[in-house]
Amino acid sequence: DQQVKQNSPSLSVQEGRISILNCDYTNSMFDYFLWYKKYPAEGPTFLISISSIKDKNEDGRFTVFLNKSAKHLSLHIVPSQPGDSAVYFCAARDNYGQNFVFGPGTRLSVLP
Amino acid sequence: KAGVTQTPRYLIKTRGQQVTLSCSPISGHRSVSWYQQTPGQGLQFLFEYFSETQRNKGNFPGRFSGRQFSNSRSEMNVSTLELGDSALYLCASSPTTGGEQPQHFGDGTRLSIL
Repeated sequence: DQQVKQNSPSLSVQEGRISILNCDYTNSMFDYFLWYKKYPAEGPTFLISISSIKDKNEDGRFTVFLNKSAKHLSLHIVPSQPGDSAVYFCAARDNYGQNFVFGPGTRLSVLP
Repeated sequence: KAGVTQTPRYLIKTRGQQVTLSCSPISGHRSVSWYQQTPGQGLQFLFEYFSETQRNKGNFPGRFSGRQFSNSRSEMNVSTLELGDSALYLCASSPTTGGEQPQHFGDGTRLSIL
């Protein structure tokens, strides 16, 4: 049973445009969500996080939106750059501090 | 500040053998978690250690085990290797366990079983 879902295995976006990566979850006890970026042959790198008491968090070109009622979060990258091409993982953890649960990832390709 | 260091980077073993992977967390980080990444499966949580104690364990068979030393360095052991154990094994550290803090990952150990 996949608790964190990223239903789009891949996404292609033109350079300069907005990239929107989506993530859905099923466990209502999750209260902390993160996005990681992963390049080939490297470990995941933390991008941005959001607590369940917020609905938006922004850091430079990256913004994460959380819709708790829909159990949905999204990562917006504006403007997209070729260096953003990577696999993006959504992760979640519940307030009992249990382990992180990761989604299967979405491969983003930003075309020049 | 040095990042999370995993050794070795690549490893080739045969079925039935055992393997030990090593992880040195970021200085000052006391929590170390291990993940298995296979194509299409994302990151699957193996276990988390904090202050030399296993705090959480994922849904993996007992062939997968780990430990943490007093300096927070951690090792993961897989015994009786199977072909399906071929994967990228990632280690992640954080200052403490739980709470709102991200984990910092190493570059992983690529394990191939022949």
